[in-house]
Amino acid sequence: DQQVKQNSPSLSVQEGRISILNCDYTNSMFDYFLWYKKYPAEGPTFLISISSIKDKNEDGRFTVFLNKSAKHLSLHIVPSQPGDSAVYFCAASGGAQKLVFGQGTRLTINP
Amino acid sequence: EAEVAQSPRYKITEKSQAVAFWCDPISGHATLYWYRQILGQGPELLVQFQDESVVDDSQLPKDRFSAERLKGVDSTLKIQPAELGDSAMYLCASSFPTPDTQYFGPGTRLTVL
Repeated sequence: DQQVKQNSPSLSVQEGRISILNCDYTNSMFDYFLWYKKYPAEGPTFLISISSIKDKNEDGRFTVFLNKSAKHLSLHIVPSQPGDSAVYFCAASGGAQKLVFGQGTRLTINP
Repeated sequence: EAEVAQSPRYKITEKSQAVAFWCDPISGHATLYWYRQILGQGPELLVQFQDESVVDDSQLPKDRFSAERLKGVDSTLKIQPAELGDSAMYLCASSFPTPDTQYFGPGTRLTVL
């Protein structure tokens, strides 16, 4: 039972354009959501988080949107840069539920 | 900037051998996690410590895996004996108790031959 799903295994975006990564969850007890970025042979790096009391959180080029009714969150990166090419994981936690990760989306930024 | 330290970064071993991984969390972080990540999947929690106590080890294969955090600071994860299916990236993370923002180390890539 996959509680956190990233349905797009890969995404290719032109440099300078917007990258939108999506994530869906099933557990209504989740109240804290995070995005991590991972380069090959490295550990995940924390990017941005959002609590369920908000529907948007912004940090520089990164914005996370949360739609609780749809159980959906998205990460927007604008403008996209070549260094953004990596695997992005969304994760969720809440109540007694441990942090659960999605399968990841590989983002490629093309020059 | 404070980081989670892990060693070794890479480990190659033969099946049935014993392996051990070490993790030093960010100073002041009471909560420490060990994850396993298989290629193409997200990290999966193996064990969670709060200080020196195990909080969750429900996904830890206890017949061959063990973890300890004796003084509530650094931690060791051991596999004995290693099996071919144990080949994966082993990640350590740490956090304050709340919120649940976990900071990861660089990981140990294990290859079992």
